[in-house]
Amino acid sequence: EDQVTQSPEALRLQEGESSSLNCSYTVSGLRGLFWYRQDPGKGPEFLFTLYSAGEEKEKERLKATLTKKESFLHITAPKPEDSATYLCAVQAGSARQLTFGSGTQLTVLP
Amino acid sequence: EAGVAQSPRYKIIEKRQSVAFWCNPISGHATLYWYQQILGQGPKLLIQFQNNGVVDDSQLPKDRFSAERLKGVDSTLKIQPAKLEDSAVYLCASSWGQGVNEKLFFGSGTQLSVL
Repeated sequence: EDQVTQSPEALRLQEGESSSLNCSYTVSGLRGLFWYRQDPGKGPEFLFTLYSAGEEKEKERLKATLTKKESFLHITAPKPEDSATYLCAVQAGSARQLTFGSGTQLTVLP
Repeated sequence: EAGVAQSPRYKIIEKRQSVAFWCNPISGHATLYWYQQILGQGPKLLIQFQNNGVVDDSQLPKDRFSAERLKGVDSTLKIQPAKLEDSAVYLCASSWGQGVNEKLFFGSGTQLSVL
């Protein structure tokens, strides 16, 4: 059974204080690892897909990296508008469904 | 482009009552998904349609949940009878192709409270 664990559960940062969110996974045959952002009262919004170890993707202040066991979402000089829950999900083997982690709730204080 | 539309936004019912949710995906998207998100958890797939056929319903509690996708476009999810543990946000999502390594577009969800 595919498992996805995200840490920490919650993170509070001062504006400009860089940090990283972790997503560790246990799957058979990773096909893709996804990062989504979810704002309160909204559905998740797609950020990145990573396919193989060593891959990196960037978007504004966010950079996602992937190893064989985990992925990191690095947030550089965050702003209050980056406050949201960040969800990690995997697609593996022959399954078409995504298995989501429980998310990291990020709060960036001005 | 218009996003995934869901209604209602909120629903409060008593246990053992029935409830239905509606979803209109992005035009042209072949695959439609219903997810259940319990407070503090990530979304869990309930059912996945490709066009109007079911691809995966392995986690759908079929004794009380049912879903259909009419003419490969709109979809409804029904719960009958509801239990307290069904309190959650029900998210609809859609994607262009078969759902393999694709990004999903989510609606804002229906928040269900079962009293």
